[in-house]
Amino acid sequence: DAGVIQSPRHEVTEMGQEVTLRCKPISGHDYLFWYRQTMMRGLELLIYFNNNVPIDDSGMPEDRFSAKMPNASFSTLKIQPSEPRDSAVYFCASSSGTVNNQPQHFGDGTRLSIL
Amino acid sequence: AQKVTQAQTEISVVEKEDVTLDCVYETRDTTYYLFWYKQPPSGELVFLIRRNSFDEQNEISGRYSWNFQKSTSSFNFTITASQVVDSAVYFCALVDGQGGKLIFGQGTELSVKP
Repeated sequence: DAGVIQSPRHEVTEMGQEVTLRCKPISGHDYLFWYRQTMMRGLELLIYFNNNVPIDDSGMPEDRFSAKMPNASFSTLKIQPSEPRDSAVYFCASSSGTVNNQPQHFGDGTRLSIL
Repeated sequence: AQKVTQAQTEISVVEKEDVTLDCVYETRDTTYYLFWYKQPPSGELVFLIRRNSFDEQNEISGRYSWNFQKSTSSFNFTITASQVVDSAVYFCALVDGQGGKLIFGQGTELSVKP
C-alpha cells in the first residue's frame, strides 16, 4: 500500500519567494496533519484537517502560512513570503477513524531551506 | 498543559547491549493515548506502538518492549540486544481524548556501535 506522499523532498529558495508543499494522504484516511520539525522547537503540529475541513490551525505560526485541502487526496501548505526562519523539515501525516486512537502515518518530509 | 519529557538527549551503547529509553508525560485527561515513533538517519518517522490510558499491559514485539505505568506517568521503551540498525532518534508522543494533536517529546538519539 502506498504511504503518505510528499513533494518535493527538498526545496531551496530565496527569501521572499512563495513556497508550496504538497501532500497526498493514504487512501481512505480522513485526517491529515501538517507538522514542522526544527532543532529548536522539535516536532510541532501546524494544522490538521478532518474530511477536508480544517479543525485546529492554532499551530500555524503566522499569516504567511496557509494550508488547504481541496479534496480527500490532496493538501498543500503554502508560505508566502518565505523567510530564513521557515527553514525546517515539514511532515505531512494521515490517519483513519478516531483522530486520537489511530496512529498517524507520516510521509518522508520536505526539507525546506530558505536562503 | 500536556507535556512529554524525554530526559535522555543522547544514548550510546555497544551492539547487543539492552537499552531503555525513558518517557514521562503530563496530562489532566483521564483518556489519552501514547505513541512511540522512530526517526532513522534517512529522516522519515516510523510508527512503532500505540497505547491507550486504560491499558496498562506491557507489550513485547520482538526485541522491543514497552512498559506503561500510570502511577509514575511513564511509558518507557526497551530494546533488547541492540543492533546497529536501531540507531535512530526515538520520539515519545501523547494525544489527549479530545483532539488529534500529537505532543512530541524532544527525542532521544540512540547510537548503537558495532
